[in-house]
Amino acid sequence: EIVLTQSPATLSLSPGERATLSCRASQSVSRSLAWYQQKPGQAPRLLIYDASTRATGIPARFSGSGSGTDFTLTISSLEPEDFAIYYCHQRTSWPLPFGGGTKVEMK
Amino acid sequence: EVQLVESGGGLVQPGGSLTLSCVASGFTFSNYWVTWVRQAPGKGLEWVANIKQDGSDKYYVDSVKGRFTISRDNAINSLFLQMHNLTPEDTAVYYCVRELESSGVYYGEYWGQGTLVTVSS
Repeated sequence: EIVLTQSPATLSLSPGERATLSCRASQSVSRSLAWYQQKPGQAPRLLIYDASTRATGIPARFSGSGSGTDFTLTISSLEPEDFAIYYCHQRTSWPLPFGGGTKVEMK
Repeated sequence: EVQLVESGGGLVQPGGSLTLSCVASGFTFSNYWVTWVRQAPGKGLEWVANIKQDGSDKYYVDSVKGRFTISRDNAINSLFLQMHNLTPEDTAVYYCVRELESSGVYYGEYWGQGTLVTVSS
């Protein structure tokens, strides 16, 4: 069973700073990886799929990279609305686990 | 506008049953895989089950196999999750999700707002 490990667990940054989030898979998932954003009390929102493709309506400040076992979500310049929890999710191997999440909080 | 509206959640005793529903609008429901994802209070996300466009293929996470049944009725644009023999570990917000297909890989593109299931005596 593939395990997704996200780091760091919490990222404390200020608006305007760059955020770099990591997701590591215990075995290769090729490029079949997605990133989701979730704000308190809301459903998750798809940001990135196929490791680097932005979903419809997602701002260009969000970018994804990586393949195989190491993936990165980058937010180039944090906006106030970007403070949230981010999850990665692999779609290669059952039972399709999500990562544990990275909370991006305001410093 | 794509909309997914879940209902059917509530308080149920351990060992009890519940059926969740999700009504879809704003797109051709029969063209998409759809999925149930859950989130225990204060915890992360867990993919639960999904179903193919015509209902011919269904997949479940191991922890719900034999207890949960996913189904759909394309005539009324609806997705269902029948849940039996519920345990406190099934307590969660259950989300209905429409999948996006990209080169044979599926991702959760649109999510409903969720319905809370609480299993407690």
